[in-house]
Amino acid sequence: GQNIDQPTEMTATEGAIVQINCTYQTSGFNGLFWYQQHAGEAPTFLSYNVLDGLEEKGRFSSFLSRSKGYSYLLLKELQMKDSASYLCAVRSYRRRDDKIIFGKGTRLHILP
Amino acid sequence: GAGVSQSPSNKVTEKGKDVELRCDPISGHTALYWYRQSLGQGLEFLIYFQGNSAPDKSGLPSDRFSAERTGGSVSTLTIQRTQQEDSAVYLCASSFTTNEQFFGPGTRLTVL
Repeated sequence: GQNIDQPTEMTATEGAIVQINCTYQTSGFNGLFWYQQHAGEAPTFLSYNVLDGLEEKGRFSSFLSRSKGYSYLLLKELQMKDSASYLCAVRSYRRRDDKIIFGKGTRLHILP
Repeated sequence: GAGVSQSPSNKVTEKGKDVELRCDPISGHTALYWYRQSLGQGLEFLIYFQGNSAPDKSGLPSDRFSAERTGGSVSTLTIQRTQQEDSAVYLCASSFTTNEQFFGPGTRLTVL
């Protein structure tokens, strides 16, 4: 089966840096996604890692270690609009196809 | 271009009734997913269609739930004999193979 763990909630201050961790256990690992979801809205894509290392995209970076089953999303220069849930999702290969399973998400609260 | 659309946006039904939820994916996307999200929770995988392959139904919570995808495009999720615990937002997502997923706005189902 699959198991994806991430903290339920985190709080950070505007202008600061926050790191949201995600650990996973799955067979046939084939990539990891991070999505952002504002309250009442659909998730939107942030990043995709399939190889070990850090992928940087503006204020957001995502890291993957396949041997440790570990990823993190790093948000820099936090803004109030970054208050949202952040969802870690793992793609795994099964039979002939891949499928994508989500963790429960981390609700991030930004304080002024 | 047009994104993923879902209808209806809201559905209120009585316990025991059947409901149909519709998803129109982005044209050309081969993969289509259904997820369920209860208030404040993560995304629960329901079913996955990839091209002409048999769908992965491993996430359907009971035999009251079924889904089909006609002509590799539009999908319908059917819930028979609805129960109050079926109340949730039902999200559909599509992608080209299994890369970045694009989510629809969801259908909020309320079972009275």
